[in-house]
Amino acid sequence: DADVTQTPRNRITKTGKRIMLECSQTKGHDRMYWYRQDPGLGLRLIYYSFDVKDINKGEISDGYSVSRQAQAKFSLSLESAIPNQTALYFCATSDKRSGANVLTFGAGSRLTVL
Amino acid sequence: QKEVEQNSGPLSVPEGAIASLNCTYSDRGSQSFFWYRQYSGKSPELIMFIYSNGDKEDGRFTAQLNKASQYVSLLIRDSQPSDSATYLCAVKGGNNFNKFYFGSGTKLNVKP
Repeated sequence: DADVTQTPRNRITKTGKRIMLECSQTKGHDRMYWYRQDPGLGLRLIYYSFDVKDINKGEISDGYSVSRQAQAKFSLSLESAIPNQTALYFCATSDKRSGANVLTFGAGSRLTVL
Repeated sequence: QKEVEQNSGPLSVPEGAIASLNCTYSDRGSQSFFWYRQYSGKSPELIMFIYSNGDKEDGRFTAQLNKASQYVSLLIRDSQPSDSATYLCAVKGGNNFNKFYFGSGTKLNVKP
């Protein structure tokens, strides 16, 4: 099983629908992140969380919300999806105890909003 | 100005050649520098990271950091077709200590 699991892997939805992307990890890492990737724009940070009680906005948080239900679970919600939220979304984790503090990514969730 | 800049490419090199990928960053206080490889439709995977000025080697890969010039590069020796991918530069630290900033990536094509 993957260390960082994202569900769903692919989702097609309509404008105005509420969508939740889920992320769970078995790495025991305390830090979790949500990024979106668009062609030519690289990875942009949406939200990040350093523990269950810590939630922080990233570069592009408008239109998104998150919930850190447990150390291992971090979900991203689009309350009312719009077409320009069509993108590839990645969850990532890192461990502050590790000197390198590198990011480990999930496989990604491809979201299409019609 | 973007935090991290990369040439989008594509960079084409013949098999067996050295591929040189470059990245510049704007926050002079940045402390950690990472190179990720991303195959089409897949997630980024870490190649290596570097903290100190100079070179760091890992197999066929060498990362080079020059903090004075705010420049980090990745050299791939003996390039293989399997190295064909997009390479993402990421920077952490500085004014936003806890955040990682990614460049938009350089697409590398290694031709057999």
